[in-house]
Amino acid sequence: DIQMTQSPSSLSASVGDRVTITCRASQNIRTYLNWYQLKPGKAPKLLIYGASSLQSGVPSRFSGSGSGTDFTLTITSLQPEDFATYCCQQSYSSPTFGPGTKVDI
Amino acid sequence: QVQLVESGGGVVQPGGSLRLSCAASGFTFSNYGMHWVRQAPGKGLEWVAFIRYDGNNKYCADSVKGRLTISRDNSKNTLYMQMNSLTTEDTATYYCAKDFGLLSGSYSFFDYWGQGTLVPVSS
Repeated sequence: DIQMTQSPSSLSASVGDRVTITCRASQNIRTYLNWYQLKPGKAPKLLIYGASSLQSGVPSRFSGSGSGTDFTLTITSLQPEDFATYCCQQSYSSPTFGPGTKVDI
Repeated sequence: QVQLVESGGGVVQPGGSLRLSCAASGFTFSNYGMHWVRQAPGKGLEWVAFIRYDGNNKYCADSVKGRLTISRDNSKNTLYMQMNSLTTEDTATYYCAKDFGLLSGSYSFFDYWGQGTLVPVSS
C-alpha cells in the first residue's frame, strides 16, 4: 500500500490567515491526490481532486498543487467555517488516506 | 442534490456480524461505483470496499478480506455491506461514499459522502 503522511498534524490559525498543509506519498502517485475536509458529525467533503482541480461548489480560497510525491493544500484568507480537519487521499492505487491536519483557532 | 444516508449501525458483540445499508438519492445510482470507508475513534480514514456501478467488480481492503461482502440493489438505489467475525478493531464510524467516475470500471475518489453510522464492537 502507498503510505500517506501529512504535516503539520495540527495548527492554530486566525480568521484571515493563509494556511498551507503538506501531504507526502511514499511513492510517485503522479497527480492522483485528493483533499477532503472533515468536521465531527458531518459528511466529509471533497475539496480538491487530481491534485489541483477544485470540486464544484468549493470556494476559490482553497487550492491544491504538487505532483509525484509532494503536494500542498492552501487556504487563503481562512474563514470561520474552515476550522476543521483536512486529509489527503491517493487514488493512484488502492485508496489510502493521510492521518489528517487539524486546523483550529 | 446528492444524498447518502447510512443505517444499521449499533453495538455488535465481538465475533458478531453487521449489515449496513446506504440509501442514495439525487443522482443516477446505477451509473456510479460506491464505496465504504471507515474511521476508528481517534484514527484516520480507512477505505474498506468498492463495488462497480453494475455490481460486477468488487474490491476490498486486506483488513476485511474474507469477512466483508459489499453489494448493491440498483432498483432500490441502495448499497449494502455485510461483515462477519467482528473484533474491537472494527469499531468505527462507517461511511458510504460515491465514486467520482461515471460508468467507470474501477475506482477513483469519493465526491459525496454520507454522515456515517457508528458501529461499536463491544461485549
